[in-house]
Amino acid sequence: DGGITQSPKYLFRKEGQNVTLSCEQNLNHDAMYWYRQDPGQGLRLIYYSQIVNDFQKGDIAEGYSVSREKKESFPLTVTSAQKNPTAFYLCASRGGSGTGELFFGEGSRLTVL
Amino acid sequence: AQSVAQPEDQVNVAEGNPLTVKCTYSVSGNPYLFWYVQYPNRGLQFLLKYITGDNLVKGSYGFEAEFNKSQTSFHLKKPSALVSDSALYFCAVRDGGTYKYIFGTGTRLKVLA
Repeated sequence: DGGITQSPKYLFRKEGQNVTLSCEQNLNHDAMYWYRQDPGQGLRLIYYSQIVNDFQKGDIAEGYSVSREKKESFPLTVTSAQKNPTAFYLCASRGGSGTGELFFGEGSRLTVL
Repeated sequence: AQSVAQPEDQVNVAEGNPLTVKCTYSVSGNPYLFWYVQYPNRGLQFLLKYITGDNLVKGSYGFEAEFNKSQTSFHLKKPSALVSDSALYFCAVRDGGTYKYIFGTGTRLKVLA
C-alpha cells in the first residue's frame, strides 16, 4: 500500500543525545515536510523540501537538521541544541501540483528523559 | 504573512445535531484552504480542500465546508454529528509563495451521546 512510514513510533532519549527520526514515502511525491505538534499549539513547521537535494527552514528550525538525498526519504535529526525536544513529530508529503493536500505519517513521539 | 485562526479550543455538540467548527484565514493572493482530522496519537487525515470554484466544498465522512471570501472564513460543517466524529480538527492554509502549509491551533470536537 502507498503511504508514509515514520519510525520509531515512540523514542526515549537522554538529554545531550542526538536522535534521528525516519520518514519514508512510496507515493512518488516530490515535496516532504516535518512538523512538530505540542498540546494547544497546533502544528509548527520545522523543515520542508520541494525536491531532492534541496530543503528550506520552516518556522522552528533551530536545533533540528534534515537531509534529502533520495526522493523517498526525509530524515529529521533532533540535536542536543534543541532546548525542548519532547513532542510529537509528524512527517508529510505532497504530490502533484502545489495546490494538493498533504499526506501524513502516523507520527513519532519523542520523550527526553 | 499567511495565518489561520481557530477561535474555539473545544466544541461540544449532541449526537444527531449539526456541527460547525470555525476557521478564519489571512492570506495575500488566492487562498488554498484545507481541513484535517486527527485521532489520538495518530497522524492527520485529509477531509477536504478549497482551491477554486463552488463556495461549498464536500469532503470525506459527510463533512463539508463553506468558503466565504468577504468574511475570510472556511467553517467546517456536518448536518448530523456522530459520536465517532469526536476528534481534533485542524484548518490549514497554503502559502502561495513558499509552499508552506500553515495550521491553526486545532479545535477539539466532542460529540455527546
